[in-house]
Amino acid sequence: TQLLEQSPQFLSIQEGENLTVYCNSSSVFSSLQWYRQEPGEGPVLLVTVVTGGEVKKLKRLTFQFGDARKDSSLHITAAQPGDTGLYLCAGALGAQKLVFGQGTRLTINP
Amino acid sequence: GAGVSQTPSNKVTEKGKYVELRCDPISGHTALYWYRQSLGQGPEFLIYFQGTGAADDSGLPNDRFFAVRPEGSVSTLKIQRTERGDSAVYLCASSSRGRGDTQYFGPGTRLTVL
Repeated sequence: TQLLEQSPQFLSIQEGENLTVYCNSSSVFSSLQWYRQEPGEGPVLLVTVVTGGEVKKLKRLTFQFGDARKDSSLHITAAQPGDTGLYLCAGALGAQKLVFGQGTRLTINP
Repeated sequence: GAGVSQTPSNKVTEKGKYVELRCDPISGHTALYWYRQSLGQGPEFLIYFQGTGAADDSGLPNDRFFAVRPEGSVSTLKIQRTERGDSAVYLCASSSRGRGDTQYFGPGTRLTVL
């Protein structure tokens, strides 16, 4: 049983479109992180959200943490081919252990 | 500056053999983590070191898996009597102090057990 469920698992859209990826759990996390992973590389941290209801923006990416700190979303505006990759959400259990979702593989077609 | 490095990048072994995977964390980072990533899945926590000691080894799947960090820097993940189900990418990460600090991941070692 996956502690963190990401949806969709695969997403292929055209350049310029908007998209949202969801990360849901029945557990409460002290923080939630979003990573991006390229083939042959380790995950790279994009953002950490800590407070329920928190919204963070990183250029065309908007991250939101649910009020109850159980779920999160990643919204990309005007997607570009360079956004292609595997997006992972991870919840922090206590101060050190990360629990990852299964990932969303995003493909942006030119 | 140098990031987290892992060697080898690829390891192919036969069922039943012993393997060692090495992780060199970012210099000065006291916390070190091992994760395993199976095909099509997110990373799965294995073990966390704070300094030389294993602070949390709850993710190690069974007693065939063991990890050490004798001098508080380099860590080695050891797998005995490998099984085909052990095939995965083994990721190492380090952070400055643990306790919620950002974890920086290495590129991983792809282990294939034939």
